Amino acid sequence: AQSVTQPDIHITVSEGASLELRCNYSYGATPYLFWYVQSPGQGLQLLLKYFSGDTLVQGIKGFEAEFKRSQSSFNLRKPSVHWSDAAEYFCAASSNTGKLIFGQGTTLQVKP
Amino acid sequence: DAGVIQSPRHEVTEMGQEVTLRCKPISGHDYLFWYRQTMMRGLELLIYFNNNVPIDDSGMPEDRFSAKMPNASFSTLKIQPSEPRDSAVYFCASRYSGTSGTDTQYFGPGTRLTVL
Repeated sequence: AQSVTQPDIHITVSEGASLELRCNYSYGATPYLFWYVQSPGQGLQLLLKYFSGDTLVQGIKGFEAEFKRSQSSFNLRKPSVHWSDAAEYFCAASSNTGKLIFGQGTTLQVKP
Repeated sequence: DAGVIQSPRHEVTEMGQEVTLRCKPISGHDYLFWYRQTMMRGLELLIYFNNNVPIDDSGMPEDRFSAKMPNASFSTLKIQPSEPRDSAVYFCASRYSGTSGTDTQYFGPGTRLTVL
């Protein structure tokens, strides 16, 4: 069955520190991959997406993600976290039907 | 563009009542999706439409749930009768398939439903 796994439910980092959020997928073929961010009480905003080509993808707000086929992973990174990055982050995958399957989400807390 | 619009933003109702959630997709988008978000189950796809036609409703939890898309600019998700376990945030999203079928889903702000 197709699935997306985010192993870390909750992560706390200090402001200015680097961040990596993990995402693993299980799909029949290489899916399209996405990272969304959700602030409290808000909808989901797309950070970045991978369809094909360069495996290192740049997104908004200084985020990037790297697709690693051999590890079935699509981890999200940011070199220096800001307090405003505190939110819930969702990894998602889809086939070309556009039907998204989401991971359970990772809540990021930023310490001052 | 105003983005995906959902109404109401908050709904509080009593068990047994009918609830109707509304969504206006981004103009020109040909796919519309309804999701439900709960602490226990995360984000789940309930149903999606392509060109106003329901394509996959396998995520609809039971017959109490129904969704319609009478035209390209409006969709409803109805729960009748509502139950406390339906309490969740319901999101609508839309997407333009373009030529590659890989384009992004844009989410509305959600409707927070509380069934007492």
